[in-house]
Amino acid sequence: EAGVAQSPRYKIIEKRQSVAFWCNPISGHATLYWYQQILGQGPKLLIQFQNNGVVDDSQLPKDRFSAERLKGVDSTLKIQPAKLEDSAVYLCASSPLRAQRPEGYTFGSGTRLTVV
Amino acid sequence: DAKTTQPTSMDCAEGRAANLPCNHSTISGNEYVYWYRQIHSQGPQYIIHGLKNNETNEMASLIITEDRKSSTLILPHATLRDTAVYYCIVRGYNQGGKLIFGQGTELSVKP
Repeated sequence: EAGVAQSPRYKIIEKRQSVAFWCNPISGHATLYWYQQILGQGPKLLIQFQNNGVVDDSQLPKDRFSAERLKGVDSTLKIQPAKLEDSAVYLCASSPLRAQRPEGYTFGSGTRLTVV
Repeated sequence: DAKTTQPTSMDCAEGRAANLPCNHSTISGNEYVYWYRQIHSQGPQYIIHGLKNNETNEMASLIITEDRKSSTLILPHATLRDTAVYYCIVRGYNQGGKLIFGQGTELSVKP
């Protein structure tokens, strides 16, 4: 079974620029998550999708971050404009709908964003 | 979800057992204890979970105290590849939704 694919692996941008990350979840997984992990901290949920609908985006800074999951499969997370404090690893995870149990979650390897 | 407390870092000699503690004194009756680990440059990986009985799988053992206020993850024969950050998470089972990660314990396995 293929894992959760994310790209790019690394990205360096200047502040005030925009950036986008892509995630392809495990085939058939209805639920998709984006987490932000700042260096030295545990991952923090930004947004959760169930199919193509948003379930939880309470921690998403909506003035600069946006995410979409068209057709309920792939997802993109965008930051515009980026700030220095957005430097972090952005992790995507997916899980089956009926088994939203933590042991069923699969994480990708993440995109490391550096804002200079 | 109940809050957890873990030591910031621990060392372990290769081949020895690694015992990682977690305190979760406010755990409620229907909440499970989950353990994940995150190897450098990878996403978190599920290890094991339990409610009140001790659990063992091919990766680790989980010992939960009788009052359920603390638990210990045991890696019986630690290898260099077990060097990672280990997260203890408490949450309801089949609850769906987000995982709330703390800072975890950074385990260094040394030769």
